Amino acid sequence: DAGITQSPRYKITETGRQVTLMCHQTWSHSYMFWYRQDLGHGLRLIYYSAAADITDKGEVPDGYVVSRSKTENFPLTLESATRSQTSVYFCASRLDTDTQYFGPGTRLTVL
Amino acid sequence: GDSVTQMEGPVTLSEEAFLTINCTYTATGYPSLFWYVQYPGEGLQLLLKATKADDKGSNKGFEATYRKETTSFHLEKGSVQVSDSAVYFCAQTTSGTYKYIFGTGTRLKVLA
Repeated sequence: DAGITQSPRYKITETGRQVTLMCHQTWSHSYMFWYRQDLGHGLRLIYYSAAADITDKGEVPDGYVVSRSKTENFPLTLESATRSQTSVYFCASRLDTDTQYFGPGTRLTVL
Repeated sequence: GDSVTQMEGPVTLSEEAFLTINCTYTATGYPSLFWYVQYPGEGLQLLLKATKADDKGSNKGFEATYRKETTSFHLEKGSVQVSDSAVYFCAQTTSGTYKYIFGTGTRLKVLA
């Protein structure tokens, strides 16, 4: 199916472990984004990518790593998970036009 | 810097009531404005948008008008339904930038 998918949808991990959240889009959109959503903070941008092999930091990048070797994939890695990274993570994509399209989200719990 | 401010929730209404959720913005350029809706357990979905002053976006009975003079983009619906219960986000972006600025969201609860 066309669209933007995220996996896993739910993840529980322990402090210090590495975790990778996957994002895949079928539209060949040039821009892709990772946000985290926390109560009281709304959506905060972690990283974004303007094209394959081009990534840049957003508002809250510390503790996260991204890569974009293919246009359709934009994985987000937590190198050493901390409790403060417990959140709901959303991937989004867009063409050069301005509308963003969001994935269904990954709920991550760090114990 | 650029920002989006929307009214705090939760907003609780009875079915068929009139809805207004206020949104104001500050921007150095000429932004496009959006309303997104997030149903429980789901990602954000575009509800409507407007790209220039005096444009009216509309969808599913919701409307919002881009008011440059008051820097506002208030969301309205004449008669809400229980199925409209969700969190609503106002957002802006300026053409040529990657940045998308969201408000903090307003939770709407509609009671039967």
